[in-house]
Amino acid sequence: GESVGLHLPTLSVQEGDNSIINCAYSNSASDYFIWYKQESGKGPQFIIDIRSNMDKRQGQRVTVLLNKTVKHLSLQIAATQPGDSAVYFCAENVGSGGKLIFGQGTELSVKP
Amino acid sequence: DTEVTQTPKHLVMGMTNKKSLKCEQHMGHRAMYWYKQKAKKPPELMFVYSYEKLSINESVPSRFSPECPNSSLLNLHLHALQPEDSALYLCASSQGGGLHQPQHFGDGTRLSIL
Repeated sequence: GESVGLHLPTLSVQEGDNSIINCAYSNSASDYFIWYKQESGKGPQFIIDIRSNMDKRQGQRVTVLLNKTVKHLSLQIAATQPGDSAVYFCAENVGSGGKLIFGQGTELSVKP
Repeated sequence: DTEVTQTPKHLVMGMTNKKSLKCEQHMGHRAMYWYKQKAKKPPELMFVYSYEKLSINESVPSRFSPECPNSSLLNLHLHALQPEDSALYLCASSQGGGLHQPQHFGDGTRLSIL
């Protein structure tokens, strides 16, 4: 079946470094993608989204890149801070009914 | 703090009990969702309500019964659950009525089945 997955399950970075979290998707018809951050004991928190007619979108300290040719999505976090430590999920919008399929998640650990 | 409020935060129940999970949002969103999340796993969609009507049921067992009394409220009624139903149950909402709208999540109800 269709799936959204991540290349790396864990990522450890030094405080102040940039982080890159990757995601592969297999549904070529998907046209909307979202990145979520989930801290322990909390629900997923919306970070940034991107439509398939774009290849890059920037937010505050975050950038999402979309490569439709290879069905790849990435989240870049600039100047990573300890507060960025969390599990990050990519999610793919499937169909027109609001169905989201989540990737397996990457746990980001920021070392002081 | 999240704008989607879920109660209770924690729930412990036996397999013969009946309980309900509640979700509320006041953002004027017209689509609401229930997800199930097991530990160290991604959320999995259970139900979607669009304009207070059930639009997606992801083949969820009938011991889970959703209800949308109005556009701000979403309930999940539980009956005769199994131990494997222990999980974090997340509610989300989005503007609804179209594509390309992010879903906003509550912090969930952590459910334990004895």
